Amino acid sequence: DTAVSQTPKYLVTQMGNDKSIKCEQNLGHDTMYWYKQDSKKFLKIMFSYNNKELIINETVPNRFSPKSPDKAHLNLHINSLELGDSAVYFCASSLLTGGHARETQYFGPGTRLLVL
Amino acid sequence: DAKTTQPPSMDCAEGRAANLPCNHSTISGNEYVYWYRQIHSQGPQYIIHGLKNNETNEMASLIITEDRKSSTLILPHATLRDTAVYYCIVRRPEANFGNEKLTFGTGTRLTIIP
Repeated sequence: DTAVSQTPKYLVTQMGNDKSIKCEQNLGHDTMYWYKQDSKKFLKIMFSYNNKELIINETVPNRFSPKSPDKAHLNLHINSLELGDSAVYFCASSLLTGGHARETQYFGPGTRLLVL
Repeated sequence: DAKTTQPPSMDCAEGRAANLPCNHSTISGNEYVYWYRQIHSQGPQYIIHGLKNNETNEMASLIITEDRKSSTLILPHATLRDTAVYYCIVRRPEANFGNEKLTFGTGTRLTIIP
């Protein structure tokens, strides 16, 4: 059974379009994250949600809007896609009992977005 | 979070122990050392973490020096499937739930040679 799943796995679209990426975890975790890995393979946090509440919002254009309908899902909607948005987007989840740094993050397989 | 320094690449013969070093000379007392790896085209995978004592699990061992300024990840019997980029991350506990971001560096590209 997949722990953290993302759909779609690949997404090819035109500049200016709006697209969504979905993430689901079946681990019973209460915190979910979006990371972006660019063409140089740098992996950076974008957002995190704890119990459906936005906690981390790094310097990300407001064309990116995360939505967490429940603790098991965190979706990423991107408006007016640009060439520079081409990257691999990873979802992750963790369980923060006591908010301790010992809780590890489990990553999904990634969504490869290509904007033409 | 403290900065880490890792060699950009390493090779290891299949079946031998792979020892991956990490320097974190500015680590503070409450910061943990984490190791993740990313196999090609996959999401990062948690390996192991520790605070000050050496740790071992089914995947690897983590040796942290007494002054905590460096650590070594040991894969005891490397296989071809261990070829990946290995990230050493230093992270402190956060007071607020959800503020547990991982800051990835460039990591070490480990290649297991048949």
